[in-house]
Amino acid sequence: NAGVTQTPKFQVLKTGQSMTLQCAQDMNHEYMSWYRQDPGMGLRLIHYSVGAGITDQGEVPNGYNVSRSTTEDFPLRLLSAAPSQTSVYFCASSYSGQQEAQYFGPGTRLLVL
Amino acid sequence: GENVEQHPSTLSVQEGDSAVIKCTYSDSASNYFPWYKQELGKGPQLIIDIRSNVGEKKDQRIAVTLNKTAKHFSLHITETQPEDSAVYFCAAVGYSSASKIIFGSGTRLSIRP
Repeated sequence: NAGVTQTPKFQVLKTGQSMTLQCAQDMNHEYMSWYRQDPGMGLRLIHYSVGAGITDQGEVPNGYNVSRSTTEDFPLRLLSAAPSQTSVYFCASSYSGQQEAQYFGPGTRLLVL
Repeated sequence: GENVEQHPSTLSVQEGDSAVIKCTYSDSASNYFPWYKQELGKGPQLIIDIRSNVGEKKDQRIAVTLNKTAKHFSLHITETQPEDSAVYFCAAVGYSSASKIIFGSGTRLSIRP
């Protein structure tokens, strides 16, 4: 099993550009989520999904969109990037929810100029 | 909003000594408390977790204690080794489906040879 994979590993954007961060898992997990990690602030939940076709907002959802058309994939979209979205983004998955081990991907480092 | 405070932010211990990291949570409905270890350039990985119906859990050199009355929980690492050097995050999750996982701000642990 590859576990949780994320692409790209690193991306530079200009303010106003859009992009999609990809996340895929091959463990047949129902629950998937996106976090951003900023220095001194730990991990903050952006969006999550409890299964295909179901998504919900986390702690810091503004500026991000998600969809879940398959069990395996959970892309994160930035429609109009802002410098405040410069961060490291992690995707995670688990069998059924937040009250169990989360399996994290290797992360995507995003720089918005 | 709900909050998890983690201390200290940095910790340096001599190899072979013990390390203790402490977290305090604000939501009295929290009932699941995981600890994650993040090595440089990687995603976080679960190392141990505890639920509110137990006060202590051990796994080899790692232990976690929970005081529900005081709303704090701690990670204890004994006989520290160089490979324990990493950033450690605590988190708290409530039992409600609407509850969002909240992470502490992290502790950078360095093991001195």
